[in-house]
Amino acid sequence: SQKIEQNSEALNIQEGKTATLTCNYTNYSPAYLQWYRQDPGRGPVFLLLIRENEKEKRKERLKVTFDTTLKQSLFHITASQPADSATYLCALEDSSASKIIFGSGTRLSIRP
Amino acid sequence: NAGVMQNPRHLVRRRGQEARLRCSPMKGHSHVYWYRQLPEEGLKFMVYLQKENIIDESGMPKERFSAEFPKEGPSILRIQQVVRGDSAAYFCASSPSGTSFGTDTQYFGPGTRLTVL
Repeated sequence: SQKIEQNSEALNIQEGKTATLTCNYTNYSPAYLQWYRQDPGRGPVFLLLIRENEKEKRKERLKVTFDTTLKQSLFHITASQPADSATYLCALEDSSASKIIFGSGTRLSIRP
Repeated sequence: NAGVMQNPRHLVRRRGQEARLRCSPMKGHSHVYWYRQLPEEGLKFMVYLQKENIIDESGMPKERFSAEFPKEGPSILRIQQVVRGDSAAYFCASSPSGTSFGTDTQYFGPGTRLTVL
């Protein structure tokens, strides 16, 4: 069955360091992958989309990679700040192409 | 341009009552998605609707749950005879042209937190 896995353990990072979050998927061949941020009590907010023919995508301090051989995406936040603390979700279009499937998210905490 | 609106933000129901959750998509968006999120868990897809059509309801429980997106007015997620296990945050998202186009992102509302006593 199709599965998306994100590290369920919270990630604690010192301010200024680079945070790296992982998203692995199985039994998929998604055309694209998305990353969202979710703050407590709020809905997810779209951050980045990367297509299968793109190796890397950048937006300000964010960088996403997409390795279709490893079936993995990495999400990087450089020069991390306490305001980056949130839960980050990866999402894939499922094989029916009629809906997006979300991972369970990784909680990131940036300590000053 | 207002974002996705959901109401109510918080809803308390007793077991056996009906819960009705509303979602107004962003202006110009004709695709609506409903998700359920339990504490400390990810978003679980429930249903995908276009105006007057249910496109994919594979994530919707077969009983007690229904959804609609009429030609006029908001999308409604209805839960009949609620049970304690229905307590969760329910999020609605909208997009302009649907996931099958490959590049559409979804814009989420603030969610409705349902508590069943």
